[in-house]
Amino acid sequence: DALLVESGGGLVQPGRSLTLSCAASGFTFDDYAMHWVRQPPGKGLEWVSVISWNSASIGYADSVKGRFTVSRDNAKRSLYLHMNSLRPEDTALYYCAKDVYASNGGGMDVWGQGTTVTVS
Amino acid sequence: DIVMTQSPPTLSVSPGESATLSCRASQSVSANIAWYHLKPGQAPRLLISAATTTATGVPARFRGSRSGTEFTLTISSLQSEDFGVYYCHQYDNWGTFGGGTIVEMK
Repeated sequence: DALLVESGGGLVQPGRSLTLSCAASGFTFDDYAMHWVRQPPGKGLEWVSVISWNSASIGYADSVKGRFTVSRDNAKRSLYLHMNSLRPEDTALYYCAKDVYASNGGGMDVWGQGTTVTVS
Repeated sequence: DIVMTQSPPTLSVSPGESATLSCRASQSVSANIAWYHLKPGQAPRLLISAATTTATGVPARFRGSRSGTEFTLTISSLQSEDFGVYYCHQYDNWGTFGGGTIVEMK
């Protein structure tokens, strides 16, 4: 079965940096686009970023553009989110998720359990 | 930016009844939307993609439809496991989620 496991969350001070990782297994990782989605405490889902299968197409939500960088290493079957200049409003449960297609094109059909980032 | 507006915010439904959830896009997103179900302590589950295509393993009681920029998720004969929060998501222009609809037991 397809599985995504996030790691790297924790407590960080405002203005500092943090990198999240997502390890994939059970599917051909380099066939699919991958997303980051977050959920602040008590709030709804917020789409954060997407990266296509070959890293040629990358997109960000306006709220993180210029501060967050998404990347992937297909050889390691891993997705990353490097977060700079963190703000208290970045506090959330961060999910990685697999797209249905190679580019951002079909919704997200496999999700991890999330990793919590607290900026305080 | 594309704004996705979901209504109603909360829907109270008895088991066995049907539920109709709406999602409106602020501009055209073609049919590039998905619906997800989120339950406490669980990861979101994809229900519908491309506005009307039911995801693998999703029961037939879930049906998506589209009229222009208005999208609807209909759940017929609600089961106990169907309660929770439902989100629409447009992926026509990067990505945006709606604010969610809470489906609660009446």
